[in-house]
Amino acid sequence: AQSVTQPDIHITVSEGASLELRCNYSYGATPYLFWYVQSPGQGLQLLLKYFSGDTLVQGIKGFEAEFKRSQSSFNLRKPSVHWSDAAEYFCAVGARSGGGADGLTFGKGTHLIIQP
Amino acid sequence: DVKVTQSSRYLVKRTGEKVFLECVQDMDHENMFWYRQDPGLGLRLIYFSYDVKMKEKGDIPEGYSVSREKKERFSLILESASTNQTSMYLCASSGTDRLDGYTFGSGTRLTVV
Repeated sequence: AQSVTQPDIHITVSEGASLELRCNYSYGATPYLFWYVQSPGQGLQLLLKYFSGDTLVQGIKGFEAEFKRSQSSFNLRKPSVHWSDAAEYFCAVGARSGGGADGLTFGKGTHLIIQP
Repeated sequence: DVKVTQSSRYLVKRTGEKVFLECVQDMDHENMFWYRQDPGLGLRLIYFSYDVKMKEKGDIPEGYSVSREKKERFSLILESASTNQTSMYLCASSGTDRLDGYTFGSGTRLTVV
């Protein structure tokens, strides 16, 4: 079974500084990887996804993520954060099975705090 | 844009009540999901459905049931609400390829008193 670990429960970054949120996954084959963002009181919005090909993936809102198979990681980055980036961020991994149980497994989330 | 609409943003129910949470999507998606979200636990899958009248248990189905009579609508039912079911409930849908990513509703915050 697949699993996702987001090692950092909270991250505090100054506005304008760079950001990296960590995500490690466990899955035997090539995974499908996603990053979602959740603003307070809202549902989850897809930031970006990786299936195959170029290991550096561009997403919305200036975010990017890099797939590193050797490290089983899919870290999310942004060169300069804005106060509006304060939110909860979820990494998710998907896997194909032979039956009807395909689906996404989510990490527990990283809460991003932006300092002025 | 795909829209997933959850009928209530906030709901307060009494212990023992039967509770219905409704979710509607407008993009003809085959797959629909119900998650609950709790601090420190992330998202946990309750049930999902990959076709009308089909349902599959997720990781935490106990105390819940679901109904999918029409493709666009997926209902979560709490047969007898309990205080430990106080949570944020999120509905999501996806197309034929479940691994193409999910679209989420805005969530229903349920409080059971």
